[in-house]
Amino acid sequence: EPEVTQTPSHQVTQMGQEVILHCVPISNHLYFYWYRQILGQKVEFLVSFYNNEISEKSEIFDDQFSVERPDGSNFTLKIRSTKLEDSAMYFCASREGAYNEQFFGPGTRLTVL
Amino acid sequence: GQQLNQSPQSMFIQEGEDVSMNCTSSSIFNTWLWYKQDPGEGPVLLIALYKAGELTSNGRLTAQFGITRKDSFLNISASIPSDVGIYFCAGHKIQGAQKLVFGQGTRLTINP
Repeated sequence: EPEVTQTPSHQVTQMGQEVILHCVPISNHLYFYWYRQILGQKVEFLVSFYNNEISEKSEIFDDQFSVERPDGSNFTLKIRSTKLEDSAMYFCASREGAYNEQFFGPGTRLTVL
Repeated sequence: GQQLNQSPQSMFIQEGEDVSMNCTSSSIFNTWLWYKQDPGEGPVLLIALYKAGELTSNGRLTAQFGITRKDSFLNISASIPSDVGIYFCAGHKIQGAQKLVFGQGTRLTINP
């Protein structure tokens, strides 16, 4: 069964450093998402991406965040200058069409020291 | 706002017992979803509900979309050890909307 994959599974970085989290969505899916989950809390929406542009973003997704689909298969989340409070699990999700359901990847645990 | 209030926060049950959890909102949601999350994993979709009043089953799981569109429940019958995990309700305010709003989760622990 096709699935969303994410790398790395765990990323440790120093405060102020840039990180790029990688996702490979399911191949025939057209809508892509990033969510985050701070330890012990609920999953929160960050951004949605369709047709090579951001379609919606939350207040969490400020100027420090950016997303890119550099080729036909990868979808990345960049955090320019990480802060301690960026430590969380980051989940990528994708869906085939606007009315299909979102499938989540296994997540990348980001630890900012 | 777009808050989903999920209860209970945690449940401790015996294997074989039935489980019930629910989710409420002060505003209308047009799609309700239930996900399960195992430790260190991403959420996995269990059941999706699209119409008010809809009752849908997936094996031992049953979920309902409340008639007011402001609530949903999930029942698990005859629980087994692999049911352990965190269950999240989630929803779209508008069908086809991008943003998925999640509840705070219900942590299920099963004593064998």
